[in-house]
Amino acid sequence: EVQLVQSGAEVKKPGESLKISCQVSGYRFPKYWIAWVRQLPGKGLEWMGIIYLDDSDTKYTPPFQGQVLISADKSIRTTYLQWGSLKASDTAMYYCAKLTYFDITGQSAASPFDTWGQGTMVTVSS
Amino acid sequence: IQMTQSPSSLSASVGDRVTISCRAGQDVSNYLAWYQQKPGKAPKLLISFTSNLQSGVPSRFSGSGSGTDFTLTISSLQPEDVATYYCQNYDSALLAFGGGTKVEIK
Repeated sequence: EVQLVQSGAEVKKPGESLKISCQVSGYRFPKYWIAWVRQLPGKGLEWMGIIYLDDSDTKYTPPFQGQVLISADKSIRTTYLQWGSLKASDTAMYYCAKLTYFDITGQSAASPFDTWGQGTMVTVSS
Repeated sequence: IQMTQSPSSLSASVGDRVTISCRAGQDVSNYLAWYQQKPGKAPKLLISFTSNLQSGVPSRFSGSGSGTDFTLTISSLQPEDVATYYCQNYDSALLAFGGGTKVEIK
């Protein structure tokens, strides 16, 4: 059974840095994509960006370009979402989710987010 | 691509038929998924390719549509269906979610 296990909740101060993680288990080959999704308190789902675990090919959506860094370590099947300087407005639940197919050029269809992590709550407060 | 869901919330009785609409800003063919997010939980994929129920999803859930207009139907609402439902297109590199529809029991 494929599982995505995320790191635990974080409480940080504005201006601090943070790196949260998402580890995939139960999937033999790193030939899949991991997306990160933000959910602000009481709000909907926002796709932040995506990374291909095999070669770390990455795409960010415009609102998050330059705001976060997505990276991966193929050897331990783990992807990361990182902030250099947190703001109170980064307070949210962050989910990772697995996709089997994604065409970074946009010329072909992707696949849905078939498996989700349990979420990591990030609270930024002074 | 903008995905617009309606209504944003609804309240229905147990056993009622519930319909949620999702409209895409452009033709997404049948590359449309539905997710269920129960309170305090992560989203879960319910339906892919407009109408393909995922393994383990009760048959009271169904999806239909094509192009720009899609529908999620719960044929007989159950208490365990209380959740927010999101549509998502995946026909290209622009993977957008709808704003969500919160379903409650009357």
